[in-house]
Amino acid sequence: NAGVTQTPKFQVLKTGQSMTLQCAQDMNHEYMSWYRQDPGMGLRLIHYSVGAGITDQGEVPNGYNVSRSTTEDFPLRLLSAAPSQTSVYFCASSYSFIAGNYTFGSGTRLTVV
Amino acid sequence: EDQVTQSPEALRLQEGESSSLNCSYTVSGLRGLFWYRQDPGKGPEFLFTLYSAGEEKEKERLKATLTKKESFLHITAPKPEDSATYLCAFLDRGSTLGRLYFGRGTQLTVWP
Repeated sequence: NAGVTQTPKFQVLKTGQSMTLQCAQDMNHEYMSWYRQDPGMGLRLIHYSVGAGITDQGEVPNGYNVSRSTTEDFPLRLLSAAPSQTSVYFCASSYSFIAGNYTFGSGTRLTVV
Repeated sequence: EDQVTQSPEALRLQEGESSSLNCSYTVSGLRGLFWYRQDPGKGPEFLFTLYSAGEEKEKERLKATLTKKESFLHITAPKPEDSATYLCAFLDRGSTLGRLYFGRGTQLTVWP
């Protein structure tokens, strides 16, 4: 099993550009989430989804959009990149949010200049 | 406001020197407390889930325990390969849609 696959691994954007971070899982998990990780801040939830067609905002949703058209894919869109969005982004999935055993991808390191 | 605090921020142990990491939480109702391990440049890896005070889980040299206000990750006779950042997270009972809240982590270094 591939688990959770994130692409790209690294990306440099100019301020104002838009892009989509891809996340795909092959475990048929209903629950998927996007986090950002910044030094000294820990993991912060951006958006999450409890199944195809259902998404909701987390702690830091501003500047990001998500959609969930299939169980497998959960892309994160940056609408107009800002230097404050420089971070490492992780996608995670789980079969049960109560169990808490999310499988994380290897991350996308994004730099906005 | 619900929150989770981990201490210490960093811990250096000599190989074989046992210790504990702390995760204290304030939450209106705890549905679950989770521990993860994160190696540099990688995503977190799930370790344990604890649901109620008094519960314990073990895996190799790691044992997680839970009280009504905090959780401990006990590391017995650690080895250099246990070096990593350990994260705890909680799920609020009021959260119906799986919003995990993470602490900032404890960076553990085990030297030979």
